[in-house]
Amino acid sequence: GENVEQHPSTLSVQEGDSAVIKCTYSDSASNYFPWYKQELGKRPQLIIDIRSNVGEKKDQRIAVTLNKTAKHFSLHITETQPEDSAVYFCAAKRPFGPGGYNKLIFGAGTRLAVHP
Amino acid sequence: NAGVTQTPKFQVLKTGQSMTLQCAQDMNHNSMYWYRQDPGMGLRLIYYSASEGTTDKGEVPNGYNVSRLNKREFSLRLESAAPSQTSVYFCASSYQDREGYEQYFGPGTRLTVT
Repeated sequence: GENVEQHPSTLSVQEGDSAVIKCTYSDSASNYFPWYKQELGKRPQLIIDIRSNVGEKKDQRIAVTLNKTAKHFSLHITETQPEDSAVYFCAAKRPFGPGGYNKLIFGAGTRLAVHP
Repeated sequence: NAGVTQTPKFQVLKTGQSMTLQCAQDMNHNSMYWYRQDPGMGLRLIYYSASEGTTDKGEVPNGYNVSRLNKREFSLRLESAAPSQTSVYFCASSYQDREGYEQYFGPGTRLTVT
């Protein structure tokens, strides 16, 4: 079945530095790749997503890139701030079809710590 | 709008006891999901309901049952709780479509089985 691997599991940066989290997926037919942020004790919330017909998407300090050939996608956070500290999850959506309705497979998460 | 709500927030069960986790959404979403979150393992799909009247197994369905009561409500039942089911449980909902839509999560239920 679909598998999503996420690296690194922990990441520590200084405020103002950039942070990059990478994910690889196994099903070449996957067509939707969201990123969720989860603060301590809170629910996961979508921060950015990308579809398979787009190579890059940016929203202020956050960007996501997708390489379909290599089956990997990455989250880039620039000018990190202490409030960016959280656990970040990538996910891949199995394609539409029997058993494929908007069903996400999540990576194991990356704990990002931004130090002032 | 309350979004996605879950009850209870916390629960402690003894091995063998049963309980039902409740979830409701007011966003008119078609699809609803139940996940469990364990340390270092991300979110794993237990069951999902693509639309009212349908349910299907996810990655880790053993020991659980679900009911899609109506379009708004999707419950998760543990018939005979086991310590391995100690986890944080999240309900989520989304529109159903081919291309993928944001899943909105509830606040979670922290379950401990002793």
